[in-house]
Amino acid sequence: AQSVAQPEDQVNVAEGNPLTVKCTYSVSGNPYLFWYVQYPNRGLQFLLKYITGDNLVKGSYGFEAEFNKSQTSFHLKKPSALVSDSALYFCAVRDTGDNYGQNFVFGPGTRLSVLP
Amino acid sequence: GAVVSQHPSRVICKSGTSVKIECRSLDFQATTMFWYRQFPKQSLMLMATSNEGSKATYEQGVEKDKFLINHASLTLSTLTVTSAHPEDSSFYICSARPPGQPNTEAFFGQGTRLTVV
Repeated sequence: AQSVAQPEDQVNVAEGNPLTVKCTYSVSGNPYLFWYVQYPNRGLQFLLKYITGDNLVKGSYGFEAEFNKSQTSFHLKKPSALVSDSALYFCAVRDTGDNYGQNFVFGPGTRLSVLP
Repeated sequence: GAVVSQHPSRVICKSGTSVKIECRSLDFQATTMFWYRQFPKQSLMLMATSNEGSKATYEQGVEKDKFLINHASLTLSTLTVTSAHPEDSSFYICSARPPGQPNTEAFFGQGTRLTVV
């Protein structure tokens, strides 16, 4: 069974500082990995994904994430945080052995607060 | 990018009434859509998988008769909360992916805040 862990409920960072939101996963096959962001009372917005290839993937709004197969991690990063980055962040995984049409598995979410 | 539209964004209803939430894929055909429920400060909980032209697949613990799902066309799935009670108050979100593209990310509706009074 697939699972996703986000070990931190909350991450606080000062504006301008680098940020990291952690994610680890467990799948039986090779993973497809995704990061989404959710603003209050809104749906989820796609940030970036890892399917194959370069372990460092770049996404929207200056975010990037690094796939580490040995550590089964896919941490989200940004070199310089903005106050507007404050939101709820979800890591998600799909198993490549999964049949098409089946669901993503989401982590519990990490609330990021960027302090001015 | 692909767009999924959800309506209404916010609804307040009286206890005992039914509420219908619509989820539309605007620029692709979706044979499968997903319905989630999200409690405050929590992750998304998959309720059911909506399949065009066939019955929805419900997750364990989700009442089929309470949460009716209809996927009558390739661009529309509806979730009806029947005989709503205050404990059904929650944030409901739908998602879909373009077919035939397993690498593609899921696209989400804007969500519906349901309040049962």
